[in-house]
Amino acid sequence: DQQVKQNSPSLSVQEGRISILNCDYTNSMFDYFLWYKKYPAEGPTFLISISSIKDKNEDGRFTVFLNKSAKHLSLHIVPSQPGDSAVYFCAAGRSGSARQLTFGSGTQLTVLP
Amino acid sequence: GAVVSQHPSRVICKSGTSVKIECRSLDFQATTMFWYRQFPKQSLMLMATSNEGSKATYEQGVEKDKFLINHASLTLSTLTVTSAHPEDSSFYICSARGGGNAVETQYFGPGTRLLVL
Repeated sequence: DQQVKQNSPSLSVQEGRISILNCDYTNSMFDYFLWYKKYPAEGPTFLISISSIKDKNEDGRFTVFLNKSAKHLSLHIVPSQPGDSAVYFCAAGRSGSARQLTFGSGTQLTVLP
Repeated sequence: GAVVSQHPSRVICKSGTSVKIECRSLDFQATTMFWYRQFPKQSLMLMATSNEGSKATYEQGVEKDKFLINHASLTLSTLTVTSAHPEDSSFYICSARGGGNAVETQYFGPGTRLLVL
């Protein structure tokens, strides 16, 4: 049972435009969410997070939106740059003793120059 | 801040040998470390969670006798793949929690590519 889903395996965007990466979750117990960026043969790099008490968090070109009623979150990158080309994973977790993260399957973003 | 290193970055070994992978948090104390495995074009699969000074908690389907995890200090965790076989070839990534602004954030190492011949 995939509790965190990224339904788009790939996305191509023109440089300078907005990239929107989507993520859906099924477990209503998740109370914090993160986005990671991963280049080939490297570990994921933390980008931005949001807790369930917020519906938006912004950090520079990156903004994460959370819609709890729809169990949906999205990552907006604007303006997109060629260096943003990577695999983006969303992850969800729940507060508690284990506090593990559940990852989506990733979306390959390609920003075209 | 919040840098996690892994060593080695790449290892090739013969079938039947054991391989040890180290994961270190360089600038923070990691109360919890996680070990993941990633197959090509797939998501990260959590193998186990380790807390300093206690036994690791393994995910269902992960053999604890094959993947030995030791978390001896707040900055070091090791994963030993015992009697490695070709099907163990994969990309192993560790992460550590305890640094950064958000207590829940995990910071990942660069990964270790294991190839078992």
